[in-house]
Amino acid sequence: GAGVSQSPRYKVAKRGQDVALRCDPISGHVSLFWYQQALGQGPEFLTYFQNEAQLDKSGLPSDRFFAERPEGSVSTLKIQRTQQEDSAVYLCASSLSLQGAFADTQYFGPGTRLTVL
Amino acid sequence: GDSVTQMEGPVTLSEEAFLTINCTYTATGYPSLFWYVQYPGEGLQLLLKATKADDKGSNKGFEATYRKETTSFHLEKGSVQVSDSAVYFCALSGGGSNYKLTFGKGTLLTVNP
Repeated sequence: GAGVSQSPRYKVAKRGQDVALRCDPISGHVSLFWYQQALGQGPEFLTYFQNEAQLDKSGLPSDRFFAERPEGSVSTLKIQRTQQEDSAVYLCASSLSLQGAFADTQYFGPGTRLTVL
Repeated sequence: GDSVTQMEGPVTLSEEAFLTINCTYTATGYPSLFWYVQYPGEGLQLLLKATKADDKGSNKGFEATYRKETTSFHLEKGSVQVSDSAVYFCALSGGGSNYKLTFGKGTLLTVNP
């Protein structure tokens, strides 16, 4: 079956531009996560959705970052007024479980590589 | 907060060599532990996991045992192949937060024929 997909795969933005990154989770998966992976580092948690509810946004680096999942399926991560330090790979993951089933497998998409010039 | 420390890379081995990648963690409560692998040009994939102390996760010849007494989850494989060349990430969930993954920095493994 289809896995998690993300688009675009690559995005180049000029400093100050707004960008929107899309995630299509596996059909039927309740939980959706966004992570940021800087070059040479492990992914770091940004935000978590259970269906359409954003239950945790503690990892978002600033108020320029905004995520939504209005119908409980597709999610969009938006970054306003991009800065050079926003350059990273943005990973989306989904899992079948509800919050609390912490051992459930998270399935990752291929990521969007954002470069801010 | 929760944290994961794994062996610095890169690691370069010859085919059929024994592999160990060390991973230790700090967490409140009783986390689940994972190894994820990222092959060149691909997304992160779950390699194996263990959910409680003394559990052994295994997959594709790789093994890791959840050691609560040493807070470790070292990855091992008895005989690596060229196709095992990838970046390996140790991760945990369920410590201070019961859903998000906390990752180590990753270890690049290169296996030469």
